[in-house]
Amino acid sequence: EAQVTQNPRYLITVTGKKLTVTCSQNMNHEYMSWYRQDPGLGLRQIYYSMNVEVTDKGDVPEGYKVSRKEKRNFPLILESPSPNQTSLYFCASSFSYNEQFFGPGTRLTVL
Amino acid sequence: SQKIEQNSEALNIQEGKTATLTCNYTNYSPAYLQWYRQDPGRGPVFLLLIRENEKEKRKERLKVTFDTTLKQSLFHITASQPADSATYLCAPFSGGYNKLIFGAGTRLAVHP
Repeated sequence: EAQVTQNPRYLITVTGKKLTVTCSQNMNHEYMSWYRQDPGLGLRQIYYSMNVEVTDKGDVPEGYKVSRKEKRNFPLILESPSPNQTSLYFCASSFSYNEQFFGPGTRLTVL
Repeated sequence: SQKIEQNSEALNIQEGKTATLTCNYTNYSPAYLQWYRQDPGRGPVFLLLIRENEKEKRKERLKVTFDTTLKQSLFHITASQPADSATYLCAPFSGGYNKLIFGAGTRLAVHP
């Protein structure tokens, strides 16, 4: 089954404790991206990747890191999470900029 | 800056009626625009893509129009059903930034 998976689905953590949210897709898509979704603000792009070892900043990259060492994986790293990073996070993949396939989401709470 | 506007108020309609959702964009000219459906707590799901040279696109009970002069897309669901209740997001593609820019979405509630 073609899908994008994210882990964990829910995470409660404390300020400053490094965390990684994993994202994996099995559709051989070149393009992957991370979004955060906050009430009233819609989906905002954090980082995106055009292909292996090619990443770039989106609209709200501050406080986040990404890597793309393999085509299927695109982890999101929060080196020192802060409460303003409490949000619902989505990973997405696609061929070029066409139909985006979204993961199920990760609900992060930073205390 | 590039801006997407979708009606933030929920749209409440009766089952069987046609729902019409609006997406307005400013300060750019997207080559194409996508519509997604999102259920609470879940990831958006792609519905339709319409290109700038297409005035209208249909898929089953869904119809999308794209007016590049008005800088507006309309999304219609005909013969609406309670199962159509969800939030609908529009996402015009920004060639300048090489990405989709998502609107905040409009919540649709279809009542039996």
